[in-house]
Amino acid sequence: QKEVEQNSGPLSVPEGAIASLNCTYSDRVSQSFFWYRQYSGKSPELIMSIYSNGDKEDGRFTAQLNKASQYVSLLIRDSQPSDSATYLCAVPKAAGNKLTFGGGTRVLVKP
Amino acid sequence: DVKVTQSSRYLVKRTGEKVFLECVQDMDHENMFWYRQDPGLGLRLIYFSYDVKMKEKGDIPEGYSVSREKKERFSLILESASTNQTSMYLCASRGGNQPQHFGDGTRLSIL
Repeated sequence: QKEVEQNSGPLSVPEGAIASLNCTYSDRVSQSFFWYRQYSGKSPELIMSIYSNGDKEDGRFTAQLNKASQYVSLLIRDSQPSDSATYLCAVPKAAGNKLTFGGGTRVLVKP
Repeated sequence: DVKVTQSSRYLVKRTGEKVFLECVQDMDHENMFWYRQDPGLGLRLIYFSYDVKMKEKGDIPEGYSVSREKKERFSLILESASTNQTSMYLCASRGGNQPQHFGDGTRLSIL
């Protein structure tokens, strides 16, 4: 089992709809979780951090964490064409200061 | 805001050359990282450093070395560049349990 798993996509959503992205992780002791957005040819940029179970909202983005089930999700409400990108889930390794990144989910928002 | 600066956005070198990629961060982060990213392969960790003069190999260290003489600067060295090292190189820094922040990336071509 990979340490951090994401569906590679592409996830195709119509403009204005909700995009739902999922990420599962294997390390039960992980305490912090991050979502990054990466446009083609650009570097990843942080869009959400979540540290406790439940939902965290920031603008059109909502991160949801369920530590018991070992998954973290990202919802993008009112999806816009500018949301078309690859979204990376990142989870710290149990020991040390490194993050493990999932392979990313490619999202395509169609006008 | 965290600022991670990579010295070059685009770089073209010849096989056999010794290549230096420089990265500077301005947030006094103890941890710094070098990744390469290739289509379909995701982010792969080359080396990371958790303190000045301290380093640890990542997943793909072969053909690379690093230097961290000052806390804010982390250099990646390609000892003898080869065409299979053509890639996007990403530097990142991280403090404690906080998110990781990336530089803009260096697109390196080895001819």
